[in-house]
Amino acid sequence: QVQLVESGGGVVQPGRSLRLSCAVSGFTFSNYAMHWVRQAPGKGLEWVAVISYDGRSQYYADSVKGRFTIFRDNSKNTLYLQMNSLRAEDTAIYYCAKDPRYCTTVTCGYGRGYFDYWGQGTLVTVSS
Amino acid sequence: DIQLTQSPSFLSASVGDRVTITCRASQDISSYLAWYQQKPGKAPNLLIYAASTLQSGVPSRFSGSGSGTEFTLTISSLQPEDFATYYCQQPNTFPLTFGGGTKVEIK
Repeated sequence: QVQLVESGGGVVQPGRSLRLSCAVSGFTFSNYAMHWVRQAPGKGLEWVAVISYDGRSQYYADSVKGRFTIFRDNSKNTLYLQMNSLRAEDTAIYYCAKDPRYCTTVTCGYGRGYFDYWGQGTLVTVSS
Repeated sequence: DIQLTQSPSFLSASVGDRVTITCRASQDISSYLAWYQQKPGKAPNLLIYAASTLQSGVPSRFSGSGSGTEFTLTISSLQPEDFATYYCQQPNTFPLTFGGGTKVEIK
């Protein structure tokens, strides 16, 4: 069955960095775009970033652009989120999520843009 | 950015009730809309995509409708396991955006 397992969350001081990982199984990782979505404590959902199935293209929310980098290692079936210059407002549960569109060519773009499988989330707390 | 406004933000209902949640988009998004259910401490779960297509494994008491700027999620007969928060999401235009959520609680 499809599984997505995030790791790497924790408590970090403002201005520092953190890298999240999302290990996947149960599907052919290299054929699907992947996303990060976050949820601040007690708040709603916020889309963060997407990466194409082949890792060549990325798109970010304005709130993280220039500070966060999404990347993937298809040989390791793992998605990453490198978070630099962290701020208090980045405090959230971070979910990795799978796009449902099966991709084999660049015309796939970023997939369908919604999320058919989610990980359990990893909590990032930015505090001094 | 495309804004999604859900209403109500909170509703109290009884088991067996018919429940309708509305999601309004700030511009025409055709049928590009998804709905998710989230229970406390859990990740969201996809219910409906393309405004009205039921995701595999989702009970048929859930249905979606609408196009353009107005969409609805309907639960035909509320069950105990349906008490949760529901979110709409537009998948078509970056940045991808979510509605603010509708919390469904037991009356």
